[in-house]
Amino acid sequence: DGGITQSPKYLFRKEGQNVTLSCEQNLNHDAMYWYRQDPGQGLRLIYYSQIVNDFQKGDIAEGYSVSREKKESFPLTVTSAQKNPTAFYLCASTKTGAQPLHFGNGTRLTVT
Amino acid sequence: GQNIDQPTEMTATEGAIVQINCTYQTSGFNGLFWYQQHAGEAPTFLSYNVLDGLEEKGRFSSFLSRSKGYSYLLLKELQMKDSASYLCAVTNTGFQKLVFGTGTRLLVSP
Repeated sequence: DGGITQSPKYLFRKEGQNVTLSCEQNLNHDAMYWYRQDPGQGLRLIYYSQIVNDFQKGDIAEGYSVSREKKESFPLTVTSAQKNPTAFYLCASTKTGAQPLHFGNGTRLTVT
Repeated sequence: GQNIDQPTEMTATEGAIVQINCTYQTSGFNGLFWYQQHAGEAPTFLSYNVLDGLEEKGRFSSFLSRSKGYSYLLLKELQMKDSASYLCAVTNTGFQKLVFGTGTRLLVSP
């Protein structure tokens, strides 16, 4: 069965460390997205990619970086420059923007 | 830029009907999605409106008025399992990205 996989489900890091969140999809989708969700809040767009080797900043890209070297993979690095990294991170993909997003199950990152 | 507004929280009784509103201001609007999200889980797709009018899908319906920048999600015959957050999201010209509102938390009581 096709799907989108995020790992790990829970991640703990010390302040000042960079951390990379994995996102892999086998749906043959062109577009991939990273969102951040804080308690009681909606989803805020961090980065998105419409095609391999190309990506754009979303609304809250500061302190984050991404790469899109393969169609299937869109890892997100949370750098030490991100002021409040503790959050629920959701990766999503779609064939085109006119189609519904397929979401992974999310990674809950806690930085202390 | 884009601005999407939804009520923060609503309550309703099992078996009742509830309407969740969403207003948006955006440049280059193309379509509007509704998603359901249970606590701690990923959002799941409910509906997609591009043209004005009502789209019905079982107990859920979604309405769009492009001229008014307004949409609503109508939930009928409410069940306890409908307690969740409901997220309104708009897509821009070229369908490049999807921007979400803050979501409406719906609490269904017996």
